[in-house]
Amino acid sequence: AQTVTQSQPEMSVQEAETVTLSCTYDTSESDYYLFWYKQPPSRQMILVIRQEAYKQQNATENRFSVNFQKAAKSFSLKISDSQLGDAAMYFCAYGSGGGADGLTFGKGTHLIIQP
Amino acid sequence: DVKVTQSSRYLVKRTGEKVFLECVQDMDHENMFWYRQDPGLGLRLIYFSYDVKMKEKGDIPEGYSVSREKKERFSLILESASTNQTSMYLCASMEFQETQYFGPGTRLLVL
Repeated sequence: AQTVTQSQPEMSVQEAETVTLSCTYDTSESDYYLFWYKQPPSRQMILVIRQEAYKQQNATENRFSVNFQKAAKSFSLKISDSQLGDAAMYFCAYGSGGGADGLTFGKGTHLIIQP
Repeated sequence: DVKVTQSSRYLVKRTGEKVFLECVQDMDHENMFWYRQDPGLGLRLIYFSYDVKMKEKGDIPEGYSVSREKKERFSLILESASTNQTSMYLCASMEFQETQYFGPGTRLLVL
């Protein structure tokens, strides 16, 4: 079974600074997808970024980027120019073959933005 | 935009009651999912469905069942609610190899 580990239960960053959230996963599969989801206090899960394992290039979405290290099974999220609206729980998730069998989630990292 | 709706935001039930949680998506997605979210545990998969009348067990199916009679609707059923089923329940849908889109969640309290 696949596992996803987020080793930082909580992180704090000053507004406008950069923060990196860590995620490692364990799998024996070669075809999989990785995701970062954001859950603000409203509880709505929002996709932040997604990475296909077969792509070597790291995914980027505006201020959000990932560092995907396939051999090390590491998938960290970097948030640049942090904004107050980035405060949320962040979940790393793994989906084999695209996620049709469901996603495996980490336990989450609570991100606090200090004004 | 994909829209996934859940029938209730908050629900309070008594132990032993039969509970229905409804989820509807408007994008004609084949795949639908039910997760439960508990503090410190992340999200865990209860059941999922590839198509109408199809269902597969996830990681924690005990105490739950599901129904998918129409493509857009996926129901989670607690046959006899227990206090350890107090949790947040999240529904999601996706097209194959695309992104999962989540509903707003139902916070269920079983007394």
